[in-house]
Amino acid sequence: QKEVEQNSGPLSVPEGAIASLNCTYSDRGSQSFFWYRQYSGKSPELIMFIYSNGDKEDGRFTAQLNKASQYVSLLIRDSQPSDSATYLCAVNLRNYKLTFGKGTLLTVNP
Amino acid sequence: GAGVSQSPSNKVTEKGKDVELRCDPISGHTALYWYRQSLGQGLEFLIYFQGNSAPDKSGLPSDRFSAERTGGSVSTLTIQRTQQEDSAVYLCASSSPGANYGYTFGSGTRLTVV
Repeated sequence: QKEVEQNSGPLSVPEGAIASLNCTYSDRGSQSFFWYRQYSGKSPELIMFIYSNGDKEDGRFTAQLNKASQYVSLLIRDSQPSDSATYLCAVNLRNYKLTFGKGTLLTVNP
Repeated sequence: GAGVSQSPSNKVTEKGKDVELRCDPISGHTALYWYRQSLGQGLEFLIYFQGNSAPDKSGLPSDRFSAERTGGSVSTLTIQRTQQEDSAVYLCASSSPGANYGYTFGSGTRLTVV
């Protein structure tokens, strides 16, 4: 079983819609969870982190964590074409090393 | 510096040659990481440095790969006798103590082995 799994997509949503990105992880001891955005040809950029069960909101972004289900998600409200990118889920598996999923490609259509 | 600085940004080398990739982390960040990303693939962990502790080299794919970090700051990743499968983007990241705050990545070095 892969440590961090994401649907590779592509996920296509119309402008203004809610984009929902999902991630599951295998290690129940995982401490903290991150979402990175990576534009084509660029390096990953941290957009959200969460380490407590529940929701965390930052502007148009909401991260949701359910440790019992080993599931973390990212919601993007009012999606914009500029949100089109690959979104990487990363999990801290008990130490400083982050393990990344392969990412979900999101396309927001004008 | 203000961000994580990597050099060179692009490197084309002939198969069998050695290459050195450099990373200058954010000032004050004690943790430094090397990852690589191949086309269409996820981020693959290579090596991790934390302060003066022994590095975690568990992700290095072969003994052709090595890395050092001098004075707790700048790091160099060396690939000896490069192979075509080494072609990838090599990303360096740094973080401050407290892993809850994630990494800051540099812009990467795109390595092409021809």
